[in-house]
Amino acid sequence: QSVLTQPPSVSGAPGQRITISCTGSSSNIGAGYEVHWYQQLPGAAPKLLIYDNNNRPSGVPDRFSGSKSGTSASLAISGLQAEDEADYYCQSFDNSLSDHVVFGGGTKVTVL
Amino acid sequence: QITLKESGPTLVTPTQTLTLTCTFSGFSVSSSGVGVGWIRQPPGKPLECLALIFWDGDRRYSPSLKSRLTITKDTSKNQVVLTMTNMDPVDTATYFCAHRPRSNSWSYYFDYWGPGALVTVSS
Repeated sequence: QSVLTQPPSVSGAPGQRITISCTGSSSNIGAGYEVHWYQQLPGAAPKLLIYDNNNRPSGVPDRFSGSKSGTSASLAISGLQAEDEADYYCQSFDNSLSDHVVFGGGTKVTVL
Repeated sequence: QITLKESGPTLVTPTQTLTLTCTFSGFSVSSSGVGVGWIRQPPGKPLECLALIFWDGDRRYSPSLKSRLTITKDTSKNQVVLTMTNMDPVDTATYFCAHRPRSNSWSYYFDYWGPGALVTVSS
């Protein structure tokens, strides 16, 4: 059971806009810790997609955007493309029990 | 250019201790704010952060695995080592090491990752 909750799957047609939610609690996202997003293609290491809620590293298309509110965050992908089919993970920090990095359970994005 | 690479055994027998080494280049683990983390992913399952070590030697462990984990750094060799005791078949996973860039105390993320090392636990 992951500390951050994501929907197992989201799908959309090419060109559509989809969103992936990430729900946390008062000991992580709600405590003020930033949220980050990763894209993982099959057989590959995760790739940083969004950091500090809504910032894109160099090279990440502006089709990807992030937001955070209260104890939740979301990733939006606009203009969905076939190459966006992958697993997506949100990540934050948690100060319950002991301070540690936490991930969501991951969301499989399927391009129809 | 930052690169990281994991190394260690591909097969471990149950109850053994696993030792994994992350060898990196392009940064120093003694630079202020920098950290190196170990993250694992069992086949078909989500990512799980095991441990994180910071430039000043501070360490953070997964609460559920804390008793079995030790993370250390060797600045002169540009290496971070993770040991996990009492390995079990459920610990079969791909183990990644990753770079945590300098950031504020509310932000912990990984911008560069190693390719990962698959470790199988089986007798």
